Amino acid sequence: EDQVTQSPEALRLQEGESSSLNCSYTVSGLRGLFWYRQDPGKGPEFLFTLYSAGEEKEKERLKATLTKKESFLHITAPKPEDSATYLCAVDTGRRALTFGSGTRLQVQP
Amino acid sequence: NAGVTQTPKFRVLKTGQSMTLLCAQDMNHEYMYWYRQDPGMGLRLIHYSVGEGTTAKGEVPDGYNVSRLKKQNFLLGLESAAPSQTSVYFCASSQQTSGRSEQYFGPGTRLTVT
Repeated sequence: EDQVTQSPEALRLQEGESSSLNCSYTVSGLRGLFWYRQDPGKGPEFLFTLYSAGEEKEKERLKATLTKKESFLHITAPKPEDSATYLCAVDTGRRALTFGSGTRLQVQP
Repeated sequence: NAGVTQTPKFRVLKTGQSMTLLCAQDMNHEYMYWYRQDPGMGLRLIHYSVGEGTTAKGEVPDGYNVSRLKKQNFLLGLESAAPSQTSVYFCASSQQTSGRSEQYFGPGTRLTVT
């Protein structure tokens, strides 16, 4: 059975304090790994797709990386507006995406 | 371009009542999905559709039915609501199979069953 585990469950940072979120997965054949951002009361918003180990993608203060067992979402010098829940999901070609339970990020000014 | 829209935004049902959630997308996407999101459990797939007139079961299909009579619409029905169906429901769509293109999500419907 495909499994996706995100850690930590919650993370509180000071503005400018860089950190990383982890998404570890156990799947039989990864076709793609997705990162989404979800604000309270809203639907998830797409951030990145990674397809193979060693791949990296960047968007503003966010950088996603992928290995054969896990993905990291690195947040550099975060701002309060980066506060959200970050979701990781995997696709193995069976049905649709399998999501992790997310990391709630709070960035304090 | 509204993207993915869902109606209603909120609903309170009594046990045993029925209702239909409507999802509409204006991006001409082939694939559409219904998820539920519960605290600590992430998003779980209820049903999905790979094209007009098709539907398939996801991870947690029991107690729900779906229909996709038009390409742009995907309906989720609860025939006899139960308190265990209290959740936030999200609809999503994608152009290709999920591994090849991102899914776009609607704003969600918050359902409470008393």
